[in-house]
Amino acid sequence: EVQLAESGGALVQPGGSLRLSCVASGFKFSDYAMSWVRQGPGRGLEWVSVISWNGGAKHYAAFVKGRFTISRDNAMNSLELQMHSLGPEDTGFYYCTKQTSAKGPGYIDAWGQGTKVTVS
Amino acid sequence: VLTQSPDTLSFAPGERATLSCRASETILRSKLAWYQQRPGRAPRLLIYDASKRVTGVPDRFSGDGSGADFTLTIARLEPEDSAVYYCQQYADLLPHSFGQGTKLEIK
Repeated sequence: EVQLAESGGALVQPGGSLRLSCVASGFKFSDYAMSWVRQGPGRGLEWVSVISWNGGAKHYAAFVKGRFTISRDNAMNSLELQMHSLGPEDTGFYYCTKQTSAKGPGYIDAWGQGTKVTVS
Repeated sequence: VLTQSPDTLSFAPGERATLSCRASETILRSKLAWYQQRPGRAPRLLIYDASKRVTGVPDRFSGDGSGADFTLTIARLEPEDSAVYYCQQYADLLPHSFGQGTKLEIK
């Protein structure tokens, strides 16, 4: 069974930084692209970032504006999102997600339970 | 940009609901997925490639469409279908944006 376990969410002051982590199990982590999706309070889903199977390709939503960095460690089956210059608009649940492809277009076939980030 | 309509739907159990997802540009190769998010839960994948149902998803759920217009139909509605439904495009062009969601209420 595919499992994605996020951690690292916390209450942080505006302008602060946070590192989110996700540990994956139940599949061959190094075969798949991974992504982060967030959801603000009472709001819809918002795609944040994606990283290819080997970390060679990374893409970000326009609102990231150079503040976030996605990375992965295939030896540890882990995914991270380093966030800087956080603002209240970054508040929400951050979901670690598994793509169905290694690097090309793919849909999300697994979601973690989310980690809560509050910027206040 | 994906626009879902309507924002909210309300039906009685046993009825049939049709949710719409319209893209501002053609979605190549119908690379569109539908997700269900029940209150307090993470989303889960229902449909991919516009019409392919995920294993384990009841056949009451069906997806259709191509180009820029897509629909999710849920037949014989059950109370457990109460959720927010999102479409997402995952064609070559990034970002792989989501629609704003349609809230389905079963009363």
